[in-house]
Amino acid sequence: GAGVSQSPSNKVTEKGKDVELRCDPISGHTALYWYRQSLGQGLEFLIYFQGNSAPDKSGLPSDRFSAERTGGSVSTLTIQRTQQEDSAVYLCASSSNAGGTYEQYFGPGTRLTVT
Amino acid sequence: AQSVTQLGSHVSVSEGALVLLRCNYSSSVPPYLFWYVQYPNQGLQLLLKYTSAATLVKGINGFEAEFKKSETSFHLTKPSAHMSDAAEYFCAVSEASGGSYIPTFGRGTSLIVHP
Repeated sequence: GAGVSQSPSNKVTEKGKDVELRCDPISGHTALYWYRQSLGQGLEFLIYFQGNSAPDKSGLPSDRFSAERTGGSVSTLTIQRTQQEDSAVYLCASSSNAGGTYEQYFGPGTRLTVT
Repeated sequence: AQSVTQLGSHVSVSEGALVLLRCNYSSSVPPYLFWYVQYPNQGLQLLLKYTSAATLVKGINGFEAEFKKSETSFHLTKPSAHMSDAAEYFCAVSEASGGSYIPTFGRGTSLIVHP
């Protein structure tokens, strides 16, 4: 596709349920990032994938959060046993990280509401 | 370690007035610097970037920013604000760490443009 896509655009779930958020990066981009954006806050880094290297998980807030990236393309962010404080917009970005480019291309985000 | 400070969570200007959004950074190595814009219910979009070439960087929509190493600043300006410039603006810094680039974002500045 022409840009980064994310699905679903909105997700409402009950506390304690698991959710999966999907990101389709720009074709050919080797780097993929997940961020969390809470109301009035900046972007909180969650996890970073670069090619076939082990992901940088240093931003994941708890072991309820996990992510995978299959075939170097699509990524899924999973939140287990959701809590109300998980409510936020989850943004995915991809980057070519080549030739000094490094800028990120963002998807429109998934708005997660935990009731 | 890298960090970004955006002074002022909200900036209000009149249409046609100068826009100045402030960003100061901290980085242990020469950084890459970015400004992104986020319109309501959308992902972030790159406005401009500094990657060690010209210190005055021109971006889209008439915005520009100047890298000042001595002041560790990368302020965003536009000579004349338009109503369509109303949005959230994020400054970000990125430096190489073991071959990976994970940007750090500021908390954002909401630009309000009134007639």
